[in-house]
Formats: sequence, structure tokens, C-alpha cells
Amino acid sequence: GQQLNQSPQSMFIQEGEDVSMNCTSSSIFNTWLWYKQDPGEGPVLLIALYKAGELTSNGRLTAQFGITRKDSFLNISASIPSDVGIYFCAGYWNRDDKIIFGKGTRLHILP
Amino acid sequence: GAGVSQSPSNKVTEKGKDVELRCDPISGHTALYWYRQSLGQGLEFLIYFQGNSAPDKSGLPSDRFSAERTGGSVSTLTIQRTQQEDSAVYLCASSSTGTVGETQYFGPGTRLLVL
Repeated sequence: GQQLNQSPQSMFIQEGEDVSMNCTSSSIFNTWLWYKQDPGEGPVLLIALYKAGELTSNGRLTAQFGITRKDSFLNISASIPSDVGIYFCAGYWNRDDKIIFGKGTRLHILP
Repeated sequence: GAGVSQSPSNKVTEKGKDVELRCDPISGHTALYWYRQSLGQGLEFLIYFQGNSAPDKSGLPSDRFSAERTGGSVSTLTIQRTQQEDSAVYLCASSSTGTVGETQYFGPGTRLLVL
């Protein structure tokens, strides 16, 4: 079945640093999604990408849909303490498919 | 509030007991999803309800798992004869029409621990 590889698994950074994480898929997706999950909460959609090559920003977050349709990345600029959490990539091929989630990137900000 | 709510927030049970987890979706949302999140893992799809259609049960890991959605609103996920490997966070999500790419709104989850 389809698999998503998300990396890195964990990140420990200083406040103010930029962050980059990515996902690769074993097959082509038509849609890529990025979610954030705060401790004790459910995931919240950050950015949705629908077209190969698409680059979309949401505040300090920027995500891109890879040209090959098999990868996507999420960048966070000038990290702040509230960025702490788990970031999930997710994707699917068509509207009849179930969304497949990556295993998450755990972002920690060092004091 | 108008968000997805789940109960209980935490459940500790003994191996072999049955548990019921409840999800109240956002009012008017026709689609409802159940996911399982194990420690260090991503979200594992379990089951999907869309309106009055037969649910997509393809993600249920065994016949000990079942779910119902009464009246197109509240859903209950039941795990029979719980096993330790069932310990996880069970997340419910709803979306307006069920189009896969539309925003799914997640509840806070039920943390299940099977001793």
C-alpha cells in the first residue's frame, strides 16, 4: 500500500531558527496536506496543496507540492514557542481515497 | 462550543473488557471519521461515515472493532475484548460534505490505556 516517509522524526531547535521538514510518498498524490497537533489536542489543518509545483504560505509557514507529485516540504520561519507540537503530512490520490498520514515530526524548542 | 467533542477524554480498562468511545461531530457535518494514533505513529484510518451511506470499514484492524453513527450525527466506536495493543489515542473528525480534500475538524481524542 501507499506509504509516507516523513522526516525528521524529531527536531530540537532554538527559538528564532527556521525549520524544514519533508514527506515523500511511494506513489503519486494529487493533494498534499500539512497538519499540526498540539499536545492533548486533535490535528489542525495548516496548509493544503492541490497542484504540482504549488508553493503556498500561511503566515510564517510555507509548503510546497513537489514537481514529481511524490513529495512535499513544510518550512517554518523564525520559530516561536507556540510552534512546538507534532507536524503531520498527509496526502491522497483522488477524492475516493482515504487520506494517508505520515508519522509526524516532533518539534521542540530549546529554552 | 461548535467543535468536535469526544468522550471520555481518558479511559483506562482491563484487558478483555469492552469499551465505547463517543464522538459528537460539528452540527451539520455529513462526514465523520475515526482514526487511531499510537505512540510515535501517524494517524491510522479506521472507519468513515458519509451521510446515510454504508460506512467504509476498511481500516478497522479486527472484528473486535465496530462503529455506529446514529441519526447521522453522534458516533460510537466500540472495541470488544480489548487488548494491550489497542492502547492509543482515538481521534474523531468531521467534515462538511465528505470531499476528501476539505478540512477535517478533529476532536481532542480519547486516550485509551489497556492494562
